Amino acid sequence: GESVGLHLPTLSVQEGDNSIINCAYSNSASDYFIWYKQESGKGPQFIIDIRSNMDKRQGQRVTVLLNKTVKHLSLQIAATQPGDSAVYFCAENPDTGFQKLVFGTGTRLLVSP
Amino acid sequence: DAGVTQSPTHLIKTRGQQVTLRCSPKSGHDTVSWYQQALGQGPQFIFQYYEEEERQRGNFPDRFSGHQFPNYSSELNVNALLLGDSALYLCASSTWTGRGYTFGSGTRLTVV
Repeated sequence: GESVGLHLPTLSVQEGDNSIINCAYSNSASDYFIWYKQESGKGPQFIIDIRSNMDKRQGQRVTVLLNKTVKHLSLQIAATQPGDSAVYFCAENPDTGFQKLVFGTGTRLLVSP
Repeated sequence: DAGVTQSPTHLIKTRGQQVTLRCSPKSGHDTVSWYQQALGQGPQFIFQYYEEEERQRGNFPDRFSGHQFPNYSSELNVNALLLGDSALYLCASSTWTGRGYTFGSGTRLTVV
């Protein structure tokens, strides 16, 4: 069935380090992927997205890499800050034409000052 | 410009009762999707509404139903509540042709 999973449930880093959060997806037909950040008591917040015809996309301090061969997605956060501490989810859109998202269970990022 | 607004923010219900959750989409959005997020899990898609019709549904029982109004706002109804229905219920709005999801802060439902 459809599933999006993450390799590490918790990632602890020092302020200023670069963080890498990984995600594996199972539906090879998925054409759109999104990374979300969720802070306690809030809804998921869009970070960055990527379409299946790309393998890399950069934003402000964040980069998403997509490897369709092994169905792997990663989020890189440069110069991680304490405000980056949150749970991060990857999500895929497995149905072209609809906007149903399949989420993984999330990775908690803890940033120490 | 207000984002996605959900109400109430928290509520407690007794097993067997019925509950209605509400969502007002972001201005300019006409599509509303509902998700259930259990503690420590990722959101799970319940269903999506567009033009006042349910367009797609996830793997949830018929106890979960919804409605969309002409002003694009939406309601999620859950009947015969179970303890396992305790979760954060998220509403996301978007345009039908676009891909930009915007989530609300959710309604925390506790069933006792």
